[in-house]
Formats: sequence, C-alpha cells, structure tokens
Amino acid sequence: DQQVKQNSPSLSVQEGRISILNCDYTNSMFDYFLWYKKYPAEGPTFLISISSIKDKNEDGRFTVFLNKSAKHLSLHIVPSQPGDSAVYFCAASGGGTSYGKLTFGQGTILTVHP
Amino acid sequence: KAGVTQTPRYLIKTRGQQVTLSCSPISGHRSVSWYQQTPGQGLQFLFEYFSETQRNKGNFPGRFSGRQFSNSRSEMNVSTLELGDSALYLCASSLVGAENEKLFFGSGTQLSVL
Repeated sequence: DQQVKQNSPSLSVQEGRISILNCDYTNSMFDYFLWYKKYPAEGPTFLISISSIKDKNEDGRFTVFLNKSAKHLSLHIVPSQPGDSAVYFCAASGGGTSYGKLTFGQGTILTVHP
Repeated sequence: KAGVTQTPRYLIKTRGQQVTLSCSPISGHRSVSWYQQTPGQGLQFLFEYFSETQRNKGNFPGRFSGRQFSNSRSEMNVSTLELGDSALYLCASSLVGAENEKLFFGSGTQLSVL
C-alpha cells in the first residue's frame, strides 16, 4: 500500500525553464510534507517543506504547493539549472506517532539539459 | 557543524553473516532514524531511537535491530544476512524526532550481500 506516490519516474526540461514535480498521497493523517534531492549512493538532501496549515512555501528557486482537498503537492523549480539534475523524493509525516518516520514516494529523476 | 556521519561507507558480506553499521548524528540531535533504500522498494523506514529508547519501528523482520548510546550515536545490526538485504542503509537525525521536523541524512552505508 503506497501512501505517497510520484507517478512520473522521470522528467526532462531545458535549462532556464520551469520544472514541476508532482506527488500524491492517500493518508489523510499526513500533515507535514517535504521534498528531498538525492544523488546516487548519497543520502537525501532536504530542499523544502510545507505544513498542512499552508498551501504554499517558497525558498529561492523552489516553491512547494499543497492542495489538501486533492491530496496533492508539487515542487516548482524556476529557473531550472543543470545542477538540479538528480532524483527528487517527496515525503510525508503525521498521525501522532510518526517519531522520526517519513513515508517516501518512489522518486522522480529530473534531467535539466543545458 | 559536522553532518550525519555513517561508517563504514561500503561493506561486502556473505549470506548468513551479521553486520553492524554505525551512525553519529549532528551535534545536539537526539533522534536517530534508520532507512533502507533498494531499487525495488525505495526508501523504507526501519526504526527510530530517542534517549536510548526505540520509539518507532517499521515493517522489518526481527533480524534488523538497533540501539542508541547515551551520546546519541546509534548502531544498526542485521543478523543472518540474506541476498535481499543488499541495499543502501541511511541514517538520519533530528533534534527530537517530532513529526514536523526535517530529517538530515548521512551518506549511507552501501551493503552488498553475496
């Protein structure tokens, strides 16, 4: 039972354009959402997060949008740079007993072409 | 401030052996979580420790165990290794492991079981 889903295994964009990565969740107890970036054989690096009391959070080139009614979140990267090429994971937590536990999606491979 | 440190970086074992992995959290962080990443299952939560106590556990067999020391350093042990245990094992730390805290990950230990 996959509670966090990233339905696009890969995404390819041109440098300077917008990258939009999507994530859906099924567990209505989730109330904190995060995006991580990961290179092969390395640990995930935190990018940005959002609490369920907000619908948007920005940090530089990265913006996360949360649509609670649709149980959907997205990460926008503007403008995209070749150094953004990596695997992006969305993750969620919540439910009252999730100490240290994040539920991850399967990841989306982003490739930004120069 | 030093990040999360995991040792060893790479490990090769044979079936039936046991293995111990080590994790030093960021200074001041008292919660340590462990995750397994495999190509087929993605990133999956193993367990979380806080103040030397396991507070949360994922759906893994009893062959997977861990502990935490008074200085917050943690170890993870896998006994009777199976081929399917080959994976990247990631340690993450946070201040107290609350649900709205972001986790900081180490670079991981790549375990190969032959």
